[in-house]
Amino acid sequence: GNSVTQMEGPVTLSEEAFLTINCTYTATGYPSLFWYVQYPGEGLQLLLKATKADDKGSNKGFEATYRKETTSFHLEKGSVQVSDSAVYFCALTGWNNRLAFGKGNQVVVIP
Amino acid sequence: DAGITQSPRHKVTETGTPVTLRCHQTENHRYMYWYRQDPGHGLRLIHYSYGVKDTDKGEVSDGYSVSRSKTEDFLLTLESATSSQTSVYFCAISERVDYGYTFGSGTRLTVV
Repeated sequence: GNSVTQMEGPVTLSEEAFLTINCTYTATGYPSLFWYVQYPGEGLQLLLKATKADDKGSNKGFEATYRKETTSFHLEKGSVQVSDSAVYFCALTGWNNRLAFGKGNQVVVIP
Repeated sequence: DAGITQSPRHKVTETGTPVTLRCHQTENHRYMYWYRQDPGHGLRLIHYSYGVKDTDKGEVSDGYSVSRSKTEDFLLTLESATSSQTSVYFCAISERVDYGYTFGSGTRLTVV
C-alpha cells in the first residue's frame, strides 16, 4: 500500500538556519501529499498540502513541492525560529479513505 | 478552528477497569479516526468510521472497541485497561481524505 518514509532522527539547528526535512513516498495512482506539525502538548495541525505533481504547498514560510519523478515531498524553510520547534509528519492519501503517516521528525531550534 | 473536541483531556485509571474516550465534532464530517501516539511508534490507527454505525479496524485494534451512533460522536472503549494502553490518544475527522484530517487535542491516558 501507499507509504511515506521520513529521514531518521531529530533535527537540531540554530535560529535563522535553513531547514530541510526529507520525505519520500511509495504509492499507486496519484495521492495527495501533506505535512503536519505537532507542537508540544497539542494535536497535529495541517501545515501544507499538494494534490498533484509539481504543485507547491506553502504556509508560514514553509514550502514543499510534489515531485513525482523523485517521489518526494521535502519540507523546507529558509530561516527557522525557536517557535518552529515541533514534530513534523509527512503523510499521503492511502487506501480506504485513510492517510498514511511517516514516523515524524523532531525539530529543535536553538536560539 | 474546526469543531472537534476530545474528552477527557487527561485520565488515570487502574488496570482492569473499562475506560471510554469521547470524540465530538460539530463539522458534520463523514470520517472519524482514533489513533494512539507512542514514542518510537509514531501514529498508529486503532479504529475508524466512515459513517453512523459503520466502523472498521485499524492496525492496533486489539483490546479496543468503538461505537458511532451519531454523526458527531465517536467513542473509543478500552474494555479492560492494561498498562500497555498507556498512551496519548488522538481523534481525527475528515470530510474527504484528500482534504486531509483535522485532529483533536488528544487525551493522555495513564493505566496504573
